[in-house]
Amino acid sequence: DIQMTQSPSSVSASVGDRVTITCRASQDITSWLAWYQQKPGKAPKLLIYAASSLQSGVPSRFGGSGSGTDFTLTISSLQPEDFATYYCQQANSFPLTFGPGTKVDIK
Amino acid sequence: EVQLVESGGGLVQPGGSLRLSCAASGFTFSSYWMSWVRQAPGKGLEWVANIKQDGSEKYYVDSVKGRFTISRDNAKKSLYLQMNSLRAEDTAVYYCAVTTVTQYFQHWGQGTLVTVSS
Repeated sequence: DIQMTQSPSSVSASVGDRVTITCRASQDITSWLAWYQQKPGKAPKLLIYAASSLQSGVPSRFGGSGSGTDFTLTISSLQPEDFATYYCQQANSFPLTFGPGTKVDIK
Repeated sequence: EVQLVESGGGLVQPGGSLRLSCAASGFTFSSYWMSWVRQAPGKGLEWVANIKQDGSEKYYVDSVKGRFTISRDNAKKSLYLQMNSLRAEDTAVYYCAVTTVTQYFQHWGQGTLVTVSS
């Protein structure tokens, strides 16, 4: 199975900050990676797929990059509605697996 | 607008069974893979099972193989998860999700809570 790790596990940031979250796969997944945002008590929401493609309707301040085993989600200017937990997910092979999540909270 | 409405969750004793349903609308259900993803209280996301558009392919996480069965009824635009021999560790919110052919979870329902406890 492909193991996904994320760092940091949590980050405190202010509105307007640039935030970067890293996801690492235990083996090469080329670009088969997605990022999701989840707010408390809500279902996750797809933000980025294929490592760097922005899902329709997602603000352009969200960006994804990387390939192989190392990936990054960047929020260029953090907005109040962005405080949430972010998960990466590999789609290279079954079982599909998620990272443990990164919580972005208010500094 | 894509809508997914899960139902069937509740409290069940260890060893018991439940059948979850997911009613879909707002998209061509028969054209998409569908998935179940769960989240234990206070924990992260775990993919549970996938099913191809015509039901000809199904995949499961190892921890539920032999106990859970995913199925669909395209005429009724519904997805199901039959859960047998339930364990305490199956306690979670279960989400159904529209899944792309590339296995990304594009749209999610609001979830249904399954609690396994005596």
